[in-house]
Amino acid sequence: DQQVKQNSPSLSVQEGRISILNCDYTNSMFDYFLWYKKYPAEGPTFLISISSIKDKNEDGRFTVFLNKSAKHLSLHIVPSQPGDSAVYFCASASGNTPLVFGKGTRLSVIA
Amino acid sequence: KAGVTQTPRYLIKTRGQQVTLSCSPISGHRSVSWYQQTPGQGLQFLFEYFSETQRNKGNFPGRFSGRQFSNSRSEMNVSTLELGDSALYLCASSRGRPGELFFGEGSRLTVL
Repeated sequence: DQQVKQNSPSLSVQEGRISILNCDYTNSMFDYFLWYKKYPAEGPTFLISISSIKDKNEDGRFTVFLNKSAKHLSLHIVPSQPGDSAVYFCASASGNTPLVFGKGTRLSVIA
Repeated sequence: KAGVTQTPRYLIKTRGQQVTLSCSPISGHRSVSWYQQTPGQGLQFLFEYFSETQRNKGNFPGRFSGRQFSNSRSEMNVSTLELGDSALYLCASSRGRPGELFFGEGSRLTVL
């Protein structure tokens, strides 16, 4: 039973355009949500998070949107840069439960 | 500030052997979590330790075990290795802020 789903295994975007990565979750108890970025041969690094009491959080070029009624969150990257090419994981949890990760979306930003 | 250090980075074992992986968390971090990453499966939670106690455990067989020492360093062990155990094993430490994990580079295990 996959509680966190990233239905797009890959995404290609032109440099300068917007990248939108999507994530759906099934557990209504989740109360915080995070995005991690992973480059080859490195561990994932934390990118941005949002708690369930908010519907938007921005950090520079990165914005995360949360739609609790739809159990959906998305990560927007504007403008996309070649260095953003990586695998992006969505993750969720509640309280002190372990983070549950999606399977990841590979983003390729084409110059 | 040193990051999370995992050793060894790469190792090759044969079926039936056992393996021990080590993780040194960021100084001051008392929580250590382990994840398994395989192609197409994302990151699957193995276990979490806090102050030498296992706080959470994932849905893995008993062949997978771990421990944490008083200095917060952690080890995980996999006994009777199977081909399906081939994966990247990631360790992450946390300072307690919900969800924000700091990952090491991982230990890539290949089972032949």
